[in-house]
Amino acid sequence: AQSVAQPEDQVNVAEGNPLTVKCTYSVSGNPYLFWYVQYPNRGLQFLLKYITGDNLVKGSYGFEAEFNKSQTSFHLKKPSALVSDSALYFCAVRAPTNAGKSTFGDGTTLTVKP
Amino acid sequence: DVKVTQSSRYLVKRTGEKVFLECVQDMDHENMFWYRQDPGLGLRLIYFSYDVKMKEKGDIPEGYSVSREKKERFSLILESASTNQTSMYLCASSPGGRQPQHFGDGTRLSIL
Repeated sequence: AQSVAQPEDQVNVAEGNPLTVKCTYSVSGNPYLFWYVQYPNRGLQFLLKYITGDNLVKGSYGFEAEFNKSQTSFHLKKPSALVSDSALYFCAVRAPTNAGKSTFGDGTTLTVKP
Repeated sequence: DVKVTQSSRYLVKRTGEKVFLECVQDMDHENMFWYRQDPGLGLRLIYFSYDVKMKEKGDIPEGYSVSREKKERFSLILESASTNQTSMYLCASSPGGRQPQHFGDGTRLSIL
């Protein structure tokens, strides 16, 4: 079985400050990990993924995420938040043997205030 | 860019109606998915298809069926719509392997 937890329903940061959106996972074997963003009345857009290799992965719009195997975490980060980063963020995990099916977290609403 | 198109952005139907939600992708992806999204519940997988005419139940298949007659098209069917099926429905596709899913913009379905 595979599962994802996003422990914070909401994250609030001031523009220009660093942001972190947390994600922990549970899966058998080495995970494939993904972050997606959803703007109002839109579908999810892919931000970045970890498959193998360097634990720090970089993605779209200046976002990055750090894979930590011992803590089973994959936190999303950005050094300097923008108001336009305000959106709903989803973490997802997939076991390589799981025929393409990912399990998504419940989502974290990020609000960046000017 | 991959494009996943859902036929309707907003749909209003009546209880007991048979409802069809259509999804088309233009990248020859093997896998297609239907999710429903409800506040506080994240994305829940309804059905998954890994090839034409092949399907697999997701976490919440009750009250739904699917059809995949052609590789690019994946239809979700509400056999007899009920008010608890009022939700946002998202379609996605992926080539599988290490690749992410690509999502449509969703259909907001209201059952009255």
